Amino acid sequence: KAGVTQTPRYLIKTRGQQVTLSCSPISGHRSVSWYQQTPGQGLQFLFEYFSETQRNKGNFPGRFSGRQFSNSRSEMNVSTLELGDSALYLCASSSVTSGGTGELFFGEGSRLTVL
Amino acid sequence: GENVEQHPSTLSVQEGDSAVIKCTYSDSASNYFPWYKQELGKGPQLIIDIRSNVGEKKDQRIAVTLNKTAKHFSLHITETQPEDSAVYFCAASSNYQLIWGAGTKLIIKP
Repeated sequence: KAGVTQTPRYLIKTRGQQVTLSCSPISGHRSVSWYQQTPGQGLQFLFEYFSETQRNKGNFPGRFSGRQFSNSRSEMNVSTLELGDSALYLCASSSVTSGGTGELFFGEGSRLTVL
Repeated sequence: GENVEQHPSTLSVQEGDSAVIKCTYSDSASNYFPWYKQELGKGPQLIIDIRSNVGEKKDQRIAVTLNKTAKHFSLHITETQPEDSAVYFCAASSNYQLIWGAGTKLIIKP
């Protein structure tokens, strides 16, 4: 069974640009969550999607948005990039809407560098 | 809101010795406490979890203990091996999401 796939793995952008990251969950998983990981800050929850609906959202500005398609694939978008957006963005899938209480299966992440 | 503190940030132990990582949380309603292991270049992977109706759980060399009164939980790894070297994250459920600790880098010295 293929794991969670994230693309692209690495990307470099400049301030003010926007970026779109993609996540393909494990087959059959309908929940996709996104996290931002920075050194010393652990994982910060961005949002969770289940069956194309955003179920939960973390404390990030509106520049961070996401969506989920009918095949459960998900994208997140960051507009008007800032230097502080440089991070590893992780996607995790789950077989149910976890509500924070189920096992998450993570991809290897998309490392974004903003110059 | 919920806050999870994790200590230490770095832990270096001799191969074969035990390692203990501790976390405290603030939301008394938290009822699910997973531990994830993240190896270099990979995403985190669940290694063990515990729910609030249980005080301790073991899986081979790994154990987790939970003290709900004191609001803290700990990860115990016995007989450490080189492959245990990684970053370990604790988390606690709160308001339908997981709140994560900042991570502990575990170094196993040969």
